[in-house]
Amino acid sequence: GAGVSQSPSNKVTEKGKDVELRCDPISGHTALYWYRQSLGQGLEFLIYFQGNSAPDKSGLPSDRFSAERTGGSVSTLTIQRTQQEDSAVYLCASSPRTFPSSGANVLTFGAGSRLTVL
Amino acid sequence: QKEVEQNSGPLSVPEGAIASLNCTYSDRVSQSFFWYRQYSGKSPELIMSIYSNGDKEDGRFTAQLNKASQYVSLLIRDSQPSDSATYLCAVNIINTGGFKTIFGAGTRLFVKA
Repeated sequence: GAGVSQSPSNKVTEKGKDVELRCDPISGHTALYWYRQSLGQGLEFLIYFQGNSAPDKSGLPSDRFSAERTGGSVSTLTIQRTQQEDSAVYLCASSPRTFPSSGANVLTFGAGSRLTVL
Repeated sequence: QKEVEQNSGPLSVPEGAIASLNCTYSDRVSQSFFWYRQYSGKSPELIMSIYSNGDKEDGRFTAQLNKASQYVSLLIRDSQPSDSATYLCAVNIINTGGFKTIFGAGTRLFVKA
């Protein structure tokens, strides 16, 4: 697609329920990131996918969080047994290259999925 | 020490003034540095990228990089009320799998008309 698409845009759930957030990156982009942004805070790195390499999961805050990327394209972030502290905007971003010094490492962000856990 | 550090602000400047935003990073081998702008309720968007020591200018924006001091800054000349936003510094941090992009907490800028 023309941009990074995320769904749902808003999700309200009850504590203890599982949620799935979806990200459809720009076609051809091999790198995909998930970040979390709490109200008034910066972007917290969660997980990074690059091509067929093993994902960098170092930012996932607990084992309730998991993510997968199927076919090198669409990614799903799953939060199990949601807690109130999981309430935040979850941002997905993609980029076309992997080289550290490449000018193509610019991230394009989706509009985000706002999660509210009651 | 956080990987990317910024003063959270808020930074308030009058219209027409120069706004100076600063960022330090911990990874000495980082090679790519970015400034993103985020308006309230919106997603971040790229303003500038810089890879070499020195200054890089684009319109009213100038990015400055000093790898020896592990410091990157953004200057906004002739600040406008429309520049009021949060400015996020981002750095590519090298890791065993390659690298990943890490963001600072952001600096809130207010430009007063």
